[in-house]
Amino acid sequence: GAVVSQHPSWVICKSGTSVKIECRSLDFQATTMFWYRQFPKQSLMLMATSNEGSKATYEQGVEKDKFLINHASLTLSTLTVTSAHPEDSSFYICSASAGNTIYFGEGSWLTVV
Amino acid sequence: GENVEQHPSTLSVQEGDSAVIKCTYSDSASNYFPWYKQELGKRPQLIIDIRSNVGEKKDQRIAVTLNKTAKHFSLHITETQPEDSAVYFCAVRQGAQKLVFGQGTRLTINP
Repeated sequence: GAVVSQHPSWVICKSGTSVKIECRSLDFQATTMFWYRQFPKQSLMLMATSNEGSKATYEQGVEKDKFLINHASLTLSTLTVTSAHPEDSSFYICSASAGNTIYFGEGSWLTVV
Repeated sequence: GENVEQHPSTLSVQEGDSAVIKCTYSDSASNYFPWYKQELGKRPQLIIDIRSNVGEKKDQRIAVTLNKTAKHFSLHITETQPEDSAVYFCAVRQGAQKLVFGQGTRLTINP
């Protein structure tokens, strides 16, 4: 079946630095991918819709200059957390659809120290 | 935009009993309603889903019912087992497959 892969699974970075998370659709093409953030004991909150070949669509309250999304190919979307702060520490997860089925990546744990 | 409310936030049942989790949504144009089970630190796992042209769907011990008029849908788990303990999320799809999640229910099955 279709697989969505995320990398890295976990990352620790220092405050003020940037970190990139990749989301790949391994055996299908995804013109649209979605990025979610999940804080401990909370729900998945949609951050943005990543559109291949065009700008991402951000949800209200999500800073587009802080969370840079690039969807340069039909199989890869990247989320870059810029100037990371401890409050950005969270579980980030992407999703993509193949037909009517939605697939989630494994998720990436980000810890900013 | 879409607003999804999920209740209860926590649910504790005895093993073998049934568990019911309910969600309401606001956008009558929504047409896809999945339920996910999530283990700590892992991706959500789809356990059952229903589309707007169906009122009920069952898969072994799990069932989902949908009331489009009232804009609510429910997850029913019968004969609960310890391995059913997890966090469950409802979700609603609107537009181009953008999922909006409920707040989650932490289900605990007591042996």
